Amino acid sequence: ETGVTQTPRHLVMGMTNKKSLKCEQHLGHNAMYWYKQSAKKPLELMFVYSLEERVENNSVPSRFSPECPNSSHLFLHLHTLQPEDSALYLCASSGQGNNYGYTFGSGTRLTVV
Amino acid sequence: GESVGLHLPTLSVQEGDNSIINCAYSNSASDYFIWYKQESGKGPQFIIDIRSNMDKRQGQRVTVLLNKTVKHLSLQIAATQPGDSAVYFCAENSGGSNYKLTFGKGTLLTVNP
Repeated sequence: ETGVTQTPRHLVMGMTNKKSLKCEQHLGHNAMYWYKQSAKKPLELMFVYSLEERVENNSVPSRFSPECPNSSHLFLHLHTLQPEDSALYLCASSGQGNNYGYTFGSGTRLTVV
Repeated sequence: GESVGLHLPTLSVQEGDNSIINCAYSNSASDYFIWYKQESGKGPQFIIDIRSNMDKRQGQRVTVLLNKTVKHLSLQIAATQPGDSAVYFCAENSGGSNYKLTFGKGTLLTVNP
């Protein structure tokens, strides 16, 4: 257990479904991130929240919608996804200032059918 | 293109041997580097980091070397064990904030008994 918990671990959804991924951290960190990890590609940054404000949206399609209600929780709402959105979605958190590594959760393995 | 990359996508070593995993970066402004280990079914796990004012840092069985002249980073694992089998990737912080980490694709390390 890294201190960053993601649920569910696995998710299979149809293209017309709506689902949400959840991330929770109890490390006292003030920044949280969503990454997409596809096979044979580097980690792709999707969203960054710092002090509950979204500070970066890395050209992510609107079918992905993040929500950060407080500094400990982060959600990724999914709707009308495409099969190419199937991937491992990783949440991470980090502390204040520079030179702090990220702590990652175990990820949600998403399959869109 | 990405600024962080890996020379070898796969590395196979015998148990007990030393392993060296390499990483190149192109942003000379990067001032902080991290190595992560990702085991199957898990999120990336922090191994070791190094700041740009250092050229070597040692941990338990791991050493990171930084050569700023050629923008090269390496991870050395001493006496590699089967539990070291995983994907290893480096990340660089191009400075200014937490959320400028850029990740490489990763090297798959396989340790043969």
